[in-house]
Amino acid sequence: GESVGLHLPTLSVQEGDNSIINCAYSNSASDYFIWYKQESGKGPQFIIDIRSNMDKRQGQRVTVLLNKTVKHLSLQIAATQPGDSAVYFCAEISNAGGTSYGKLTFGQGTILTVHP
Amino acid sequence: ETGVTQTPRHLVMGMTNKKSLKCEQHLGHNAMYWYKQSAKKPLELMFVYNFKEQTENNSVPSRFSPECPNSSHLFLHLHTLQPEDSALYLCASSQDLGLSYGYTFGSGTRLTVV
Repeated sequence: GESVGLHLPTLSVQEGDNSIINCAYSNSASDYFIWYKQESGKGPQFIIDIRSNMDKRQGQRVTVLLNKTVKHLSLQIAATQPGDSAVYFCAEISNAGGTSYGKLTFGQGTILTVHP
Repeated sequence: ETGVTQTPRHLVMGMTNKKSLKCEQHLGHNAMYWYKQSAKKPLELMFVYNFKEQTENNSVPSRFSPECPNSSHLFLHLHTLQPEDSALYLCASSQDLGLSYGYTFGSGTRLTVV
C-alpha cells in the first residue's frame, strides 16, 4: 500500500548545528505535505507545510524541501536548540480520490536529540 | 493547549472493564479523527467523522466504539480490550475533510490495558 517513510530513525546533533530530517513518500497523488513535531507527553504539533506545486518553503528556522521527481521531502532546522529535541513526523494528504482521499498518512518518525 | 482537549490523560483498565475516552474541540472544525500511536509504529488512523457522520472505519475491532454527538465532541468507548491495545490514543480535528488542511491534535490519552 501507499506509505510515507523516513530514512533515519534517529538523529543526534550538537546545539547550534543545522539538522536535516528526511522523508520518502510513495503516493504520487500526494499534493500536500506537513511536518509535525511531537514532544514527550504531547500530541503532534504542526511545524510547516508545503503544497505539491512548490519545491521549497521557509518558516522561522525551518525549511521544507520537496522533490517530487524522487518523492522526497526534507525538513531543515537551522541553529538547532535543545528545545528542538522531539520526534518529527512527515505526513501527507492526497486529494486524488479513492480510499486515501483527505486522510493524513504519517511516516514512522525520526527522533531528534540535541546535545548542549 | 492546541484547542483540542482530551480526557483523561492517562487510563489504566482491566480487560473486562468499560471506559470511554473524550475529545473536545472549539475550533469550529467539522472533521474529527481518532488515531492510535503505538511504540515504533506510524500513527494509525482509526475513525473519521465529518459533520458528525462517520466516514471512515479503518478496520478497527468492534471493542472500540466511536461516538460523535456533535461536531465539537468525539468519544471512543472501550470494552473488553486486550493488552496489545495499550497505546497513546490521539484525537485530531480539521476544518474540513478532503481539503489541504492540517490537523490539530490533542495531547492524547495514554491507555494501559492490564
